[in-house]
Amino acid sequence: NAGVMQNPRHLVRRRGQEARLRCSPMKGHSHVYWYRQLPEEGLKFMVYLQKENIIDESGMPKERFSAEFPKEGPSILRIQQVVRGDSAAYFCASSPTGQPNEQFFGPGTRLTVL
Amino acid sequence: DQQVKQNSPSLSVQEGRISILNCDYTNSMFDYFLWYKKYPAEGPTFLISISSIKDKNEDGRFTVFLNKSAKHLSLHIVPSQPGDSAVYFCAASGSTTSGTYKYIFGTGTRLKVLA
Repeated sequence: NAGVMQNPRHLVRRRGQEARLRCSPMKGHSHVYWYRQLPEEGLKFMVYLQKENIIDESGMPKERFSAEFPKEGPSILRIQQVVRGDSAAYFCASSPTGQPNEQFFGPGTRLTVL
Repeated sequence: DQQVKQNSPSLSVQEGRISILNCDYTNSMFDYFLWYKKYPAEGPTFLISISSIKDKNEDGRFTVFLNKSAKHLSLHIVPSQPGDSAVYFCAASGSTTSGTYKYIFGTGTRLKVLA
């Protein structure tokens, strides 16, 4: 029973490029959450998705950031025109339901913007 | 506005002794609380949770206490082991206006258990 998978584990981009982060939830999980952890800070909620739907994007910056969870394939967090302040660890979590059960986290993608 | 606070960024404890990690929250609508442990370069792993209808939950060496009136919870680890050295995050959850749940995390406490 594979856990939550994220790729790539490390991503380096230059300012102005696009970053695409992928998350495959655990088998049977249809709820996906994205979090960002800036250096020396806790995890900050970004967005909550179910298959083909964005349920809560209250933590997403209004510009340059988007997320999707298509019917087939992984969830994608896309950051356009990256800036140095986007450098962080991005974690994906999945849950079997939308209830407050524990969320299972992936290993994270560490994004470095040069 | 930090709704979940872990005021101790770090804690050192001798092996075999008790570790107590604290967490305070401000939103009285939170009704479910969790503790996660995180090692470097890994994702957080679930440790233990507690619903607001309880004031204590125990799982092996880990016990979480909830004091709703003080909006405070704590994680006790006894006896502490060197393998417990990690960053511990407290998280709180409550239903949003749309009926969904999301977690609000504290900033973490780095626990170091000394052999």
